[in-house]
Amino acid sequence: KNQVEQSPQSLIILEGKNCTLQCNYTVSPFSNLRWYKQDTGRGPVSLTIMTFSENTKSNGRYTATLDADTKQSSLHITASQLSDSASYICVVSAGSSYKLIFGSGTRLLVRP
Amino acid sequence: DAGVIQSPRHEVTEMGQEVTLRCKPISGHNSLFWYRQTMMRGLELLIYFNNNVPIDDSGMPEDRFSAKMPNASFSTLKIQPSEPRDSAVYFCASGELYEQYFGPGTRLTVT
Repeated sequence: KNQVEQSPQSLIILEGKNCTLQCNYTVSPFSNLRWYKQDTGRGPVSLTIMTFSENTKSNGRYTATLDADTKQSSLHITASQLSDSASYICVVSAGSSYKLIFGSGTRLLVRP
Repeated sequence: DAGVIQSPRHEVTEMGQEVTLRCKPISGHNSLFWYRQTMMRGLELLIYFNNNVPIDDSGMPEDRFSAKMPNASFSTLKIQPSEPRDSAVYFCASGELYEQYFGPGTRLTVT
């Protein structure tokens, strides 16, 4: 069964600190992996998208990594800001590009 | 571009009533998706259109749900009759290959 699991479920950090969110997947056939940010009351917004051959991709203070052998991905946030408070969803595309398998998300709270 | 537009943003209705959610995709996108998000089940794909044609509706929960895309700039998701378990946030997304852009969602509450 295609699954995407994320950890931790929730995380609280102080402003300015770094953090890393984890994603493990069992999806076949693998097409690509995306990280989305969802602010409260808004739709998800894509941060990064990586295909099988890509190991890392950055978007400003966000850096995603992908290990296709171990089927793991991480999202590292550097120098966190209050605006980083949101849910971060790991999404894997299985086969056809439109079929997305969503993780349950990590809820991040950045405190001043 | 204004992005994906959804209306209404909030809908409160009584059980048994018909509910229609609306979506205007980003101009030029060939693909349109309807999703439902709940705390228990997360984001679930309901239906996928490509060039206005429904390609995959396997996620539509039951016959009470129907979706149409009469043209490239408009789509509707209808629930008739609505039930309390339909309460959720419904997202429309449009996209190109390998990317989907989500709208702000419609929060539906069925009492």
